[in-house]
Amino acid sequence: QVELVEAGGGLVKPGGSLRLSCAASGLSISDYYMSWIRQAPGKGLEWISYSSGSSAYTTNADSVKGRFTISRDNARNSVYLQMNSLGVEDTAVYYCAGGDNYEVFESWGQGTLVTVSS
Amino acid sequence: EIVLTQSPGTLSLSPGERATLSCRASQSVSSSDLAWYQQKPGQAPRLLISGASGRATGFPDRFSGSGSGTDFTLTISRLEPEDFAIYYCQQHGSSRPMYSFGQGTKLEIK
Repeated sequence: QVELVEAGGGLVKPGGSLRLSCAASGLSISDYYMSWIRQAPGKGLEWISYSSGSSAYTTNADSVKGRFTISRDNARNSVYLQMNSLGVEDTAVYYCAGGDNYEVFESWGQGTLVTVSS
Repeated sequence: EIVLTQSPGTLSLSPGERATLSCRASQSVSSSDLAWYQQKPGQAPRLLISGASGRATGFPDRFSGSGSGTDFTLTISRLEPEDFAIYYCQQHGSSRPMYSFGQGTKLEIK
């Protein structure tokens, strides 16, 4: 059974940084296309970052370009999201999601809450 | 950028009724790139439909997806109490952004 578990969320001041992690079990993430998707309180879903299985290709949404970086450690079966220059608009639940079909998000973690506030 | 617009924003129906949710794209979308997700309060979304009409594992056949081009539909034939949730459509495209979601339709009990 596939399980994705995010960690690393919390309260951070504007301008600060945070690193989220997503540990996978029941699958080898080297075979999976992985993304980070966020959901602001009471709002809809926003895809923000993608990594191909080999990490040969990564891309971000314009809203986080230049500030967020996705990476993965296939040996640790984990995906990461380094978030810099955080603003209050980045407050959201952050989900890692992915699958062996790059077109959809077959598996999701439970999410980790990031709150940016002074 | 392809924008997905879902309607209605909120749909109030009773158990046993039929629900029809719409997702309209600002440009033509390949059917293989259109998906639907179900999200219940406090939970992560779950993949419901992929390839516009392929039902994901664990969902009963009262859920069906259809459509092509710019107009896609999610139909729930007879609503069960556990079906009341928020539904999102999503597309994958070759242009930026790589993925986009509709704003969601909240299906609530009347």
